[in-house]
Amino acid sequence: GQQLNQSPQSMFIQEGEDVSMNCTSSSIFNTWLWYKQDPGEGPVLLIALYKAGELTSNGRLTAQFGITRKDSFLNISASIPSDVGIYFCAGGTNAGGTSYGKLTFGQGTILTVHP
Amino acid sequence: GAVVSQHPSRVICKSGTSVKIECRSLDFQATTMFWYRQFPKKSLMLMATSNEGSKATYEQGVEKDKFLINHASLTLSTLTVTSAHPEDSSFYICSARSSGGANTQYFGPGTRLTVL
Repeated sequence: GQQLNQSPQSMFIQEGEDVSMNCTSSSIFNTWLWYKQDPGEGPVLLIALYKAGELTSNGRLTAQFGITRKDSFLNISASIPSDVGIYFCAGGTNAGGTSYGKLTFGQGTILTVHP
Repeated sequence: GAVVSQHPSRVICKSGTSVKIECRSLDFQATTMFWYRQFPKKSLMLMATSNEGSKATYEQGVEKDKFLINHASLTLSTLTVTSAHPEDSSFYICSARSSGGANTQYFGPGTRLTVL
């Protein structure tokens, strides 16, 4: 089945630093999504990407849908303590059959921000 | 934005009892909802896809008779954990995909199930 490799697994940074994480896949996706999950909560959608090459920003967050449709990155600029959490990438496919509408998730990146 | 609620947020039950978890899309219609299970510090594991008005599609290894899913309306799906055992203790999260298409899923806040 499809698999996503998300890296890094964890990051320890100082407040104010920029952060970059990425996901790669051996398969093509039609949608790339980035979520943030706080402890004990459900994932919250940060950015949704629907077209290859698309670059989208949401405040201090920037994400890109790789041109090959097999990768995506998320950048966080000028990190603050509330950026702490687990970040997940997810790829979606429009393929028919049982895969339609499902998301494949990366393993997550645990971000720690030191004040 | 799209809001998905889950109820209850936490539940503690005795072994052998059944527990029902509700997932509602509050401001949009969801023809498809998904149920996930998440272990500590792990990624989300898809259990089943719930389609309004039809039977749920379960992932390999998920017992459909143990995890009963009902999607009776465009805004409500329920997951019932039957004859719960301690190993069913976990964080259960639902998500909803809007009727407008695309693959964007909006997640509920999750339900922490503890089986004693």
